[in-house]
Amino acid sequence: DAGITQSPRYKITETGRQVTLMCHQTWSHSYMFWYRQDLGHGLRLIYYSAAADITDKGEVPDGYVVSRSKTENFPLTLESATRSQTSVYFCASSGAGTSDPDTQYFGPGTRLTVL
Amino acid sequence: GENVEQHPSTLSVQEGDSAVIKCTYSDSASNYFPWYKQELGKRPQLIIDIRSNVGEKKDQRIAVTLNKTAKHFSLHITETQPEDSAVYFCAAFTGGGNKLTFGTGTQLKVEL
Repeated sequence: DAGITQSPRYKITETGRQVTLMCHQTWSHSYMFWYRQDLGHGLRLIYYSAAADITDKGEVPDGYVVSRSKTENFPLTLESATRSQTSVYFCASSGAGTSDPDTQYFGPGTRLTVL
Repeated sequence: GENVEQHPSTLSVQEGDSAVIKCTYSDSASNYFPWYKQELGKRPQLIIDIRSNVGEKKDQRIAVTLNKTAKHFSLHITETQPEDSAVYFCAAFTGGGNKLTFGTGTQLKVEL
């Protein structure tokens, strides 16, 4: 589990501000994912990436931007935060070519509050 | 796309009893079904998984069954203990993009 980290762990911001959540993994996993977790909705996929410079939308991408210039990093940016984006955000990774390529491993999460 | 439904949303059992959580999926092409446990304030962690070529898998007190025809799979926990109290999520692997679709979770409470 120590192989995937997120920062910050807690963040409070105001409506309209830009916020970037960081995700870093040391396993060289090819796939990385961003989820948001809200009561009653479980884990919903925001964006995912199959490799460096390859990203795609998930179920709830509106209001979010991602990039992946390096395999180990997958930052998530809220360009203009809204209160509806208050949530717990989890990053995950999985490794094509490993013994369990389909298994996703989660980071510790970032609790974001938008005032 | 894939849709995963999970029931019940809350489950309360007495210590030592069994607990069963059920999920259904919509995409017949889904071939991998993991279960995650999430303790309060922690990250989801994989506890068991099953692939479509297997009907049942067991690991100590937990087991998962899969019925491909009916497109449903279940988590079984026997001899429940207080430390089993957590939220459990089922998921289905949709293949394209290595994506998982999650159920909405079951809050399991094991009472003494």
